[in-house]
Amino acid sequence: AQKVTQAQTEISVVEKEDVTLDCVYETRDTTYYLFWYKQPPSGELVFLIRRNSFDEQNEISGRYSWNFQKSTSSFNFTITASQVVDSAVYFCALSRGSGGYQKVTFGTGTKLQVIP
Amino acid sequence: DTGVSQNPRHKITKRGQNVTFRCDPISEHNRLYWYRQTLGQGPEFLTYFQNEAQLEKSRLLSDRFSAERPKGSFSTLEIQRTEQGDSAMYLCASSLDRTAVLNEQYFGPGTRLTVT
Repeated sequence: AQKVTQAQTEISVVEKEDVTLDCVYETRDTTYYLFWYKQPPSGELVFLIRRNSFDEQNEISGRYSWNFQKSTSSFNFTITASQVVDSAVYFCALSRGSGGYQKVTFGTGTKLQVIP
Repeated sequence: DTGVSQNPRHKITKRGQNVTFRCDPISEHNRLYWYRQTLGQGPEFLTYFQNEAQLEKSRLLSDRFSAERPKGSFSTLEIQRTEQGDSAMYLCASSLDRTAVLNEQYFGPGTRLTVT
């Protein structure tokens, strides 16, 4: 069975602070994908990143960066110099990397509030 | 590319009534997924289609739920004899997957169902 744990339910930061959202996953698969999605108040899930289990290289995209550590089964997400527009619920998710389709298992989400 | 669209965006119905939701995926996406999201939780997988074939149904999908994708394009999700526990956001997602490549799912804005 697959499981994603996002222990932080809510985080508040002041604008321009850096913030890290934690994600720990469990899977018996050797090949899998990890994702982060953003869900703003409008409700639509916005895809942010997908990472293959064989690629442990950290990634940076603008103010966003992701730290994938297989040894600790973690895939943490850092926002640098946070902005009010970053306020949203962020979901970490996991899917199998083979077997023909992606049944994505989501965590319970971390609600981020950026205070101006 | 107009993204995944869902209609209606909101639906209020009385217990016992039937409701039907529609999802239009991104054109040429061969896979279509339905998820349910309750307050404070991440989306939970309900079912998925590859083209017109429904290939998996979650145990969450009781006999009162039925989904179709008749021509491999849009999909409908029907709930018969609605119950208050069916109140949730119903999300649709689509992806373009090839045999050896699984791609990220793009989500629609969701249909929020309230059963009174």
